[in-house]
Amino acid sequence: DGGITQSPKYLFRKEGQNVTLSCEQNLNHDAMYWYRQDPGQGLRLIYYSQIVNDFQKGDIAEGYSVSREKKESFPLTVTSAQKNPTAFYLCASSPRTVGAQYFGPGTRLLVL
Amino acid sequence: EDKVVQSPLSLVVHEGDTVTLNCSYEVTNFRSLLWYKQEKKAPTFLFMLTSSGIEKKSGRLSSILDKKELFSILNITATQTGDSAVYLCAVDQLNRDDKIIFGKGTRLHILP
Repeated sequence: DGGITQSPKYLFRKEGQNVTLSCEQNLNHDAMYWYRQDPGQGLRLIYYSQIVNDFQKGDIAEGYSVSREKKESFPLTVTSAQKNPTAFYLCASSPRTVGAQYFGPGTRLLVL
Repeated sequence: EDKVVQSPLSLVVHEGDTVTLNCSYEVTNFRSLLWYKQEKKAPTFLFMLTSSGIEKKSGRLSSILDKKELFSILNITATQTGDSAVYLCAVDQLNRDDKIIFGKGTRLHILP
């Protein structure tokens, strides 16, 4: 089945630790995105990538890093520099020529 | 500054009622307006609107766009408890690196 997968579903981070969230898609979409969602707030864009080996910062990129070595994969690393990482993280993808984005199931990150 | 504003922020109605959710926008280079439904996890795509005055329908849900007045509405008739969710409006822009601007959402709760 085609779709977007994210793992893990829940992730616990200790203080000072870097953690990586996985996002994979088999939809052959060129563009991929990472959003953060906090309670009562809309989606905020962290990073996005339009093609392999290229990515741009979104509105809240500080404390995060990404890579796009393969078209199918867009992992997000939450670094120790991100002081308030507890949130719901959503990955999305879209074809370049169509606006609608399709979302993965999300990863909930909690800080211990 | 580009923005998407949804109203109301939250809404509680009884099963069987009809609801109208609003989305207004101020963005440069508008390409399309998107509606998503978000229950516990990832948003699911509902509608993409590109032309004014053409209603899109899917079962009890319908949506229309007014590009002159810069707004869209999402109607849900004969609401059911399964319609309880956050409804997100987003605007896709031409030539803006495929980014989408999301509103903060309307939280809809349907009472049995």
